[in-house]
Amino acid sequence: ELKVEQNPLFLSMQEGKNYTIYCNYSTTSDRLYWYRQDPGKSLESLFVLLSNGAVKQEGRLMASLDTKARLSTLHITAAVHDLSATYFCAVEGNTPLVFGKGTRLSVIA
Amino acid sequence: GAGVSQSPSNKVTEKGKDVELRCDPISGHTALYWYRQSLGQGLEFLIYFQGNSAPDKSGLPSDRFSAERTGGSVSTLTIQRTQQEDSAVYLCASSSRTGARDTQYFGPGTRLTVL
Repeated sequence: ELKVEQNPLFLSMQEGKNYTIYCNYSTTSDRLYWYRQDPGKSLESLFVLLSNGAVKQEGRLMASLDTKARLSTLHITAAVHDLSATYFCAVEGNTPLVFGKGTRLSVIA
Repeated sequence: GAGVSQSPSNKVTEKGKDVELRCDPISGHTALYWYRQSLGQGLEFLIYFQGNSAPDKSGLPSDRFSAERTGGSVSTLTIQRTQQEDSAVYLCASSSRTGARDTQYFGPGTRLTVL
């Protein structure tokens, strides 16, 4: 059974700082997604990572995938308040997607 | 273009009643998914439709839950004899399922409250 673990689950960071969210998964998969969810809103697709070593960047967010280590990271550079949200990673297994529990990010001045 | 739409946005019902939740996927998307998001539980896969294939119902939590997709487009998730533990946000997503880049696009969800 595919399990997806994110850490940390809660993250409070100061504006301007850097931080990394980690996503580990338990069985082989070569397709991993990162989503953002604002309070009371639905999920917004951020990145899809399809191969080992894939790296994608959008603004202050950069995601990478290591399929051998079964690990993806979401790196936040010079955080700003607008990045405050919950971030989910999701891995495609036998069922379409298995989600991590999410990382609730709060960026404070 | 139009995204995934869901209705109603909020539904309050009494325990034991049946409810129907509707999802309109993005036009042309062949794959449709239902998920449930409960407080503190993350997102849970419920059911998946792909074209004319038999749906993957492996995530449905009990036989009170069922879903259908008519004409390969609109889907309805039905919960019979609702229980308080069914209270959650029900999210629908669709994808084109062409090639390898089949990102799922999510609707705004239906918040179900069972009293």
